[in-house]
Amino acid sequence: DGGITQSPKYLFRKEGQNVTLSCEQNLNHDAMYWYRQDPGQGLRLIYYSQIVNDFQKGDIAEGYSVSREKKESFPLTVTSAQKNPTAFYLCASSADGRETQYFGPGTRLLVL
Amino acid sequence: KQEVTQIPAALSVPEGENLVLNCSFTDSAIYNLQWFRQDPGKGLTSLLLIQSSQREQTSGRLNASLDKSSGRSTLYIAASQPGDSATYLCAVRSNDYKLSFGAGTTVTVRA
Repeated sequence: DGGITQSPKYLFRKEGQNVTLSCEQNLNHDAMYWYRQDPGQGLRLIYYSQIVNDFQKGDIAEGYSVSREKKESFPLTVTSAQKNPTAFYLCASSADGRETQYFGPGTRLLVL
Repeated sequence: KQEVTQIPAALSVPEGENLVLNCSFTDSAIYNLQWFRQDPGKGLTSLLLIQSSQREQTSGRLNASLDKSSGRSTLYIAASQPGDSATYLCAVRSNDYKLSFGAGTTVTVRA
C-alpha cells in the first residue's frame, strides 16, 4: 500500500525534553511538509523540504528542527525551546511543490 | 500574506439537505484551491482541487466553484448523509506554491 505513516499516534513530552515525530512516505514524492494544527485554527506550516538534504522554515519554525537525509523520511524534533508544544502534528508529501498534498494520520503531542 | 476564512465554523443539518460551505481568501493571485475533509483525530483527505483557470470541479455529490476575482470558493454537497459529518478545510495555494489553510467548517448531518 502506498501512503504516509506517522508515529507514534500519541506522544508525551516532559518539561525540558526533546521529542522526535516520525514521518515516512512510500509515494516516491520529492516534497514533504510538517504542519501544526490547534483547535479553531487552520494548519500552520512548520518546515518543508522540496528535495533530499534541503529544507526551509515555514511560518512557525521556532522551537522545531528537521532533517531530510532520505527521500522517504522527514522527522520533526520538538525541542525544549518550544514552550507550547501541545498540538496535533500532521505530515504531508507531494510529487512537487505544486501538486496535491497527501497527509498522514497525525501525531498528537501532549505535555506532562 | 494570504488569509483564508471559512464561515460558519460549524453547521448542523438534517439528512438529505444540501450543504453549502464557504471559503474566502484575500489575495486573488492563486495557483489553485483545494478542499479537504478531516475526520476527528485523523489526517486530511483531499476532496477536490480547482486550478486557477477553472470555475468548478465535480466529484460525485460534491461540487466546488471558484471565483478568483471575488476571492471566494464554495463547496456544495448534495443530499447530505450522516457519513458526511466531518470538518471541511479549504486551502489556497499561492503562486509561490505555499498552501494557506482556513480553520474549517465542522459539519454534523443529523439522521
